[in-house]
Amino acid sequence: AQKVTQAQTEISVVEKEDVTLDCVYETRDTTYYLFWYKQPPSGELVFLIRRNSFDEQNEISGRYSWNFQKSTSSFNFTITASQVVDSAVYFCALSELNTDKLIFGTGTRLQVFP
Amino acid sequence: GAGVSQTPSNKVTEKGKYVELRCDPISGHTALYWYRQSLGQGPEFLIYFQGTGAADDSGLPNDRFFAVRPEGSVSTLKIQRTERGDSAVYLCASSFSGRRQETQYFGPGTRLLVL
Repeated sequence: AQKVTQAQTEISVVEKEDVTLDCVYETRDTTYYLFWYKQPPSGELVFLIRRNSFDEQNEISGRYSWNFQKSTSSFNFTITASQVVDSAVYFCALSELNTDKLIFGTGTRLQVFP
Repeated sequence: GAGVSQTPSNKVTEKGKYVELRCDPISGHTALYWYRQSLGQGPEFLIYFQGTGAADDSGLPNDRFFAVRPEGSVSTLKIQRTERGDSAVYLCASSFSGRRQETQYFGPGTRLLVL
């Protein structure tokens, strides 16, 4: 069965600290996609990244980076030099090959204090 | 604004009433999805449209929930005989062609409160 676990319910950091949000997934498929979305207080889910199961290269986009490790079924997200505007709930999601839906984790609430 | 839009942004209704929630996808997107997000949880899939047809409605919780997309663009989620447990944020998303694993872009949601 497919499942996404985000064990960290809430994380608080002070501005400029680095922070890593964990995501562990379960799937029987060999082909699947992983996503991260940001949900600010306004409520709209903002797409951050999409990664397929055959591409294990880490990715960096500005202050954001993602570490995909199939061996541990993890797809962790790191924010470097966090800013107050990074405060939001972050969701990791999984999509398997033969399905149209996203399976979301329960989210991690990140609070960045000035 | 070229994003997904949803109306109303908030809806308060009484138990037993009927409600309709509207989603206007990104122009040109053929695939449309509905999700429901309860407080403190991640979104849960309800239904997926490819064009006018519901390709996957396996997430609809019961027969009180129904959705349509008659012209392949705007979609309406309909809930009959609302219950307090239906209170949640209803999110709509769209993707360009609906090919599996394509990125879904979400709207701001409709916050439904059933009293």
